[in-house]
Amino acid sequence: KNEVEQSPQNLTAQEGEFITINCSYSVGISALHWLQQHPGGGIVSLFMLSSGKKKHGRLIATINIQEKHSSLHITASHPRDSAVYICAVRSKGTYKYIFGTGTRLKVLA
Amino acid sequence: DVKVTQSSRYLVKRTGEKVFLECVQDMDHENMFWYRQDPGLGLRLIYFSYDVKMKEKGDIPEGYSVSREKKERFSLILESASTNQTSMYLCASSSPGTSEQFFGPGTRLTVL
Repeated sequence: KNEVEQSPQNLTAQEGEFITINCSYSVGISALHWLQQHPGGGIVSLFMLSSGKKKHGRLIATINIQEKHSSLHITASHPRDSAVYICAVRSKGTYKYIFGTGTRLKVLA
Repeated sequence: DVKVTQSSRYLVKRTGEKVFLECVQDMDHENMFWYRQDPGLGLRLIYFSYDVKMKEKGDIPEGYSVSREKKERFSLILESASTNQTSMYLCASSSPGTSEQFFGPGTRLTVL
């Protein structure tokens, strides 16, 4: 079993839909990151969370430390949101990051 | 604007060749990382460096070595490339004071 699990692996949505991507982890962490990777490879950091909730535009990220679970929500989805979304955790007390395998999102116009 | 650059976006090499992948960051970060990304496996850590000339093995160091002679530059070396090293290679950097990593654009390496 992977230390960081994401679901779903693939997701297709219609433009305007509300989208949720989930991440569960099994290790102690100092922070959790949500990353976005567009075709071509470049990875951009969307959020860094250690507790609670953060919002940036149409994106909302939440984390429940007790349940070791985080969610990334996209409101009013748009085709330009199509990308791979990756959950990554930084193991407590180390420099090491553990990555989920990603959720491939496709938003149709 | 912060930047991590990688020497090549695409690279094709032959089995047995020595391959150098270069990564440069302009943020004065102490920590630098090399990952490979394969379908269905996510990013896996090959090596990381927490200071000049300092390095630690990651999860999959076999077949790779690294060099960090200057703070801004972290090189990944494939001593004798093999077909199972065909992959996307991503470099990242971070400051010890924060948890955020900044990624380069990636190098897609094909070994024939």
